[in-house]
Amino acid sequence: TQLLEQSPQFLSIQEGENLTVYCNSSSVFSSLQWYRQEPGEGPVLLVTVVTGGEVKKLKRLTFQFGDARKDSSLHITAAQPGDTGLYLCAGYNNNDMRFGAGTRLTVKP
Amino acid sequence: EAGVAQSPRYKIIEKRQSVAFWCNPISGHATLYWYQQILGQGPKLLIQFQNNGVVDDSQLPKDRFSAERLKGVDSTLKIQPAKLEDSAVYLCASSHWTGGSGGYTFGSGTRLTVV
Repeated sequence: TQLLEQSPQFLSIQEGENLTVYCNSSSVFSSLQWYRQEPGEGPVLLVTVVTGGEVKKLKRLTFQFGDARKDSSLHITAAQPGDTGLYLCAGYNNNDMRFGAGTRLTVKP
Repeated sequence: EAGVAQSPRYKIIEKRQSVAFWCNPISGHATLYWYQQILGQGPKLLIQFQNNGVVDDSQLPKDRFSAERLKGVDSTLKIQPAKLEDSAVYLCASSHWTGGSGGYTFGSGTRLTVV
Protein backbone atom coordinates (compact mmCIF):
# COMPACT_ATOMS: atom_id res chain seq x y z
CA THR A 1 0.00 0.00 0.00
CA GLN A 2 1.12 3.52 -0.80
CA LEU A 3 1.73 5.88 2.09
CA LEU A 4 0.73 8.70 -0.24
CA GLU A 5 -2.28 8.26 -2.53
CA GLN A 6 -2.38 10.39 -5.64
CA SER A 7 -5.46 10.96 -7.75
CA PRO A 8 -6.36 10.75 -10.45
CA GLN A 9 -3.83 8.21 -11.67
CA PHE A 10 -4.23 9.41 -15.28
CA LEU A 11 -5.60 12.67 -16.67
CA SER A 12 -5.94 13.70 -20.29
CA ILE A 13 -7.20 17.19 -21.10
CA GLN A 14 -7.24 19.77 -23.87
CA GLU A 15 -4.93 22.76 -23.96
CA GLY A 16 -6.42 25.70 -22.06
CA GLU A 17 -8.37 23.65 -19.52
CA ASN A 18 -7.84 23.84 -15.78
CA LEU A 19 -7.12 20.83 -13.59
CA THR A 20 -6.44 19.79 -10.03
CA VAL A 21 -4.57 16.73 -8.82
CA TYR A 22 -4.52 15.48 -5.27
CA CYS A 23 -2.10 13.89 -2.84
CA ASN A 24 -3.59 12.33 0.30
CA SER A 25 -2.23 10.50 3.31
CA SER A 26 -3.23 9.46 6.80
CA SER A 27 0.21 10.56 8.00
CA VAL A 28 1.30 14.03 9.02
CA PHE A 29 4.35 15.38 7.22
CA SER A 30 6.80 18.06 8.25
CA SER A 31 7.04 19.06 4.59
CA LEU A 32 5.67 17.96 1.26
CA GLN A 33 7.20 18.32 -2.16
CA TRP A 34 5.88 18.19 -5.70
CA TYR A 35 8.00 16.97 -8.59
CA ARG A 36 7.42 16.70 -12.33
CA GLN A 37 8.99 13.85 -14.25
CA GLU A 38 9.24 13.65 -18.03
CA PRO A 39 9.86 10.39 -19.92
CA GLY A 40 13.46 9.27 -19.67
CA GLU A 41 14.36 11.85 -17.06
CA GLY A 42 14.52 12.07 -13.30
CA PRO A 43 11.94 13.98 -11.24
CA VAL A 44 12.45 17.75 -11.05
CA LEU A 45 11.46 19.59 -7.88
CA LEU A 46 8.65 22.10 -8.38
CA VAL A 47 7.90 23.25 -4.84
CA THR A 48 8.26 22.46 -1.15
CA VAL A 49 5.43 23.32 1.26
CA VAL A 50 6.04 23.33 4.98
CA THR A 51 3.27 25.13 6.86
CA GLY A 52 -0.29 23.79 7.21
CA GLY A 53 -2.60 25.79 4.94
CA GLU A 54 0.32 27.17 2.93
CA VAL A 55 -0.35 28.17 -0.66
CA LYS A 56 2.46 28.64 -3.16
CA LYS A 57 2.19 29.80 -6.74
CA LEU A 58 4.59 29.04 -9.56
CA LYS A 59 3.33 30.81 -12.70
CA ARG A 60 0.18 28.85 -13.67
CA LEU A 61 0.67 26.23 -10.93
CA THR A 62 -0.85 26.65 -7.47
CA PHE A 63 0.14 24.31 -4.65
CA GLN A 64 -1.70 23.99 -1.36
CA PHE A 65 -0.73 22.11 1.79
CA GLY A 66 -3.64 20.93 3.90
CA ASP A 67 -4.22 22.51 7.31
CA ALA A 68 -3.41 19.20 9.02
CA ARG A 69 -0.32 18.67 6.83
CA LYS A 70 -1.67 15.32 5.61
CA ASP A 71 -2.68 16.25 2.08
CA SER A 72 -1.89 18.58 -0.77
CA SER A 73 -3.26 19.69 -4.10
CA LEU A 74 -1.79 21.01 -7.31
CA HIS A 75 -3.94 23.21 -9.54
CA ILE A 76 -2.89 24.11 -13.07
CA THR A 77 -4.60 26.99 -14.84
CA ALA A 78 -4.85 27.06 -18.63
CA ALA A 79 -2.83 23.89 -19.14
CA GLN A 80 -0.33 23.75 -21.99
CA PRO A 81 1.19 20.77 -23.82
CA GLY A 82 4.46 21.53 -22.06
CA ASP A 83 2.78 20.65 -18.76
CA THR A 84 2.56 17.02 -19.87
CA GLY A 85 4.36 14.70 -17.47
CA LEU A 86 4.18 12.61 -14.33
CA TYR A 87 3.43 14.69 -11.24
CA LEU A 88 4.76 13.14 -8.04
CA CYS A 89 4.16 14.22 -4.49
CA ALA A 90 6.60 13.27 -1.73
CA GLY A 91 6.12 13.57 2.02
CA TYR A 92 9.05 14.13 4.35
CA ASN A 93 9.38 13.15 8.02
CA ASN A 94 12.36 12.37 10.24
CA ASN A 95 14.92 11.93 7.51
CA ASP A 96 12.51 9.82 5.45
CA MET A 97 10.99 10.87 2.10
CA ARG A 98 8.16 8.79 0.61
CA PHE A 99 6.76 9.23 -2.89
CA GLY A 100 3.29 8.69 -4.23
CA ALA A 101 2.72 6.75 -7.46
CA GLY A 102 2.05 9.96 -9.36
CA THR A 103 -0.56 11.46 -11.68
CA ARG A 104 0.24 11.10 -15.36
CA LEU A 105 -1.01 14.24 -17.12
CA THR A 106 -1.39 14.58 -20.88
CA VAL A 107 -2.31 17.96 -22.33
CA LYS A 108 -3.43 17.76 -25.94
CA PRO A 109 -2.90 20.71 -28.29
CA GLU B 1 25.96 24.07 -11.27
CA ALA B 2 26.33 20.67 -12.87
CA GLY B 3 23.53 18.21 -12.15
CA VAL B 4 23.60 14.69 -10.82
CA ALA B 5 25.38 12.46 -13.33
CA GLN B 6 24.44 8.81 -13.80
CA SER B 7 25.73 6.11 -16.08
CA PRO B 8 24.94 4.11 -18.03
CA ARG B 9 21.60 5.46 -19.29
CA TYR B 10 20.41 2.05 -20.40
CA LYS B 11 21.40 -1.53 -19.60
CA ILE B 12 19.99 -4.84 -20.76
CA ILE B 13 21.20 -8.00 -19.03
CA GLU B 14 20.09 -11.58 -18.65
CA LYS B 15 18.76 -12.82 -15.35
CA ARG B 16 21.44 -14.05 -12.94
CA GLN B 17 24.00 -11.66 -14.45
CA SER B 18 25.56 -8.79 -12.51
CA VAL B 19 25.25 -5.07 -13.18
CA ALA B 20 26.60 -1.87 -11.65
CA PHE B 21 25.40 1.70 -11.82
CA TRP B 22 27.42 4.82 -11.12
CA CYS B 23 26.38 8.20 -9.70
CA ASN B 24 28.23 11.48 -9.27
CA PRO B 25 26.19 13.88 -7.09
CA ILE B 26 26.19 17.65 -7.13
CA SER B 27 29.43 19.00 -5.70
CA GLY B 28 29.10 19.70 -2.00
CA HIS B 29 25.94 17.66 -1.49
CA ALA B 30 26.56 15.51 1.54
CA THR B 31 23.53 13.27 1.19
CA LEU B 32 23.09 10.79 -1.66
CA TYR B 33 20.13 8.52 -2.36
CA TRP B 34 19.45 5.57 -4.65
CA TYR B 35 15.85 5.01 -5.68
CA GLN B 36 14.19 2.26 -7.67
CA GLN B 37 11.26 3.28 -9.88
CA ILE B 38 9.24 0.45 -11.35
CA LEU B 39 7.03 1.31 -14.30
CA GLY B 40 3.79 2.92 -13.11
CA GLN B 41 5.05 3.52 -9.58
CA GLY B 42 6.71 6.30 -7.66
CA PRO B 43 10.38 6.10 -6.67
CA LYS B 44 11.18 3.79 -3.75
CA LEU B 45 14.21 4.50 -1.58
CA LEU B 46 16.85 1.78 -1.63
CA ILE B 47 19.66 3.41 0.33
CA GLN B 48 20.66 6.79 1.74
CA PHE B 49 24.23 7.93 2.42
CA GLN B 50 25.41 10.84 4.55
CA ASN B 51 28.95 11.48 3.31
CA ASN B 52 30.34 7.94 3.13
CA GLY B 53 28.16 6.45 5.87
CA VAL B 54 24.85 4.62 5.42
CA VAL B 55 21.88 6.40 7.02
CA ASP B 56 19.08 4.10 5.84
CA ASP B 57 19.26 0.85 3.88
CA SER B 58 16.16 -0.77 5.34
CA GLN B 59 14.55 -1.30 1.92
CA LEU B 60 17.68 -2.54 0.14
CA PRO B 61 17.45 -6.27 -0.77
CA LYS B 62 20.83 -7.02 0.74
CA ASP B 63 20.98 -10.58 -0.56
CA ARG B 64 21.52 -9.22 -4.09
CA PHE B 65 21.93 -5.43 -3.90
CA SER B 66 24.94 -3.57 -2.56
CA ALA B 67 26.02 0.05 -2.64
CA GLU B 68 29.02 2.04 -1.59
CA ARG B 69 30.07 5.65 -1.47
CA LEU B 70 33.79 5.64 -0.98
CA LYS B 71 35.33 9.03 -0.12
CA GLY B 72 31.85 10.48 0.30
CA VAL B 73 31.45 11.59 -3.30
CA ASP B 74 30.69 9.11 -6.12
CA SER B 75 28.54 6.09 -5.48
CA THR B 76 27.96 2.73 -7.13
CA LEU B 77 24.95 0.44 -6.85
CA LYS B 78 25.39 -3.22 -7.74
CA ILE B 79 22.94 -6.03 -8.36
CA GLN B 80 24.25 -9.59 -8.23
CA PRO B 81 22.54 -11.74 -9.41
CA ALA B 82 19.77 -9.86 -11.20
CA LYS B 83 16.18 -11.07 -11.31
CA LEU B 84 13.43 -10.24 -13.79
CA GLU B 85 11.65 -8.12 -11.18
CA ASP B 86 14.70 -5.85 -10.92
CA SER B 87 13.73 -4.30 -14.25
CA ALA B 88 13.23 -0.63 -13.37
CA VAL B 89 14.74 2.82 -13.57
CA TYR B 90 17.40 3.38 -10.93
CA LEU B 91 17.56 7.00 -9.88
CA CYS B 92 20.31 8.70 -7.95
CA ALA B 93 19.58 11.92 -6.06
CA SER B 94 21.52 14.24 -3.82
CA SER B 95 20.65 16.98 -1.37
CA HIS B 96 22.53 19.74 0.36
CA TRP B 97 21.69 18.94 3.94
CA THR B 98 20.78 15.88 5.91
CA GLY B 99 17.40 14.42 5.03
CA GLY B 100 16.81 16.69 2.07
CA SER B 101 13.73 18.38 3.49
CA GLY B 102 14.39 21.20 1.06
CA GLY B 103 14.24 18.96 -1.97
CA TYR B 104 16.33 16.54 -3.90
CA THR B 105 18.11 16.87 -7.24
CA PHE B 106 17.74 13.73 -9.32
CA GLY B 107 19.85 12.35 -12.11
CA SER B 108 18.30 11.10 -15.34
CA GLY B 109 18.43 7.52 -14.14
CA THR B 110 19.58 4.19 -15.50
CA ARG B 111 16.90 2.09 -17.16
CA LEU B 112 17.62 -1.58 -16.44
CA THR B 113 15.93 -4.36 -18.37
CA VAL B 114 16.46 -7.92 -17.15
CA VAL B 115 15.53 -10.58 -19.72
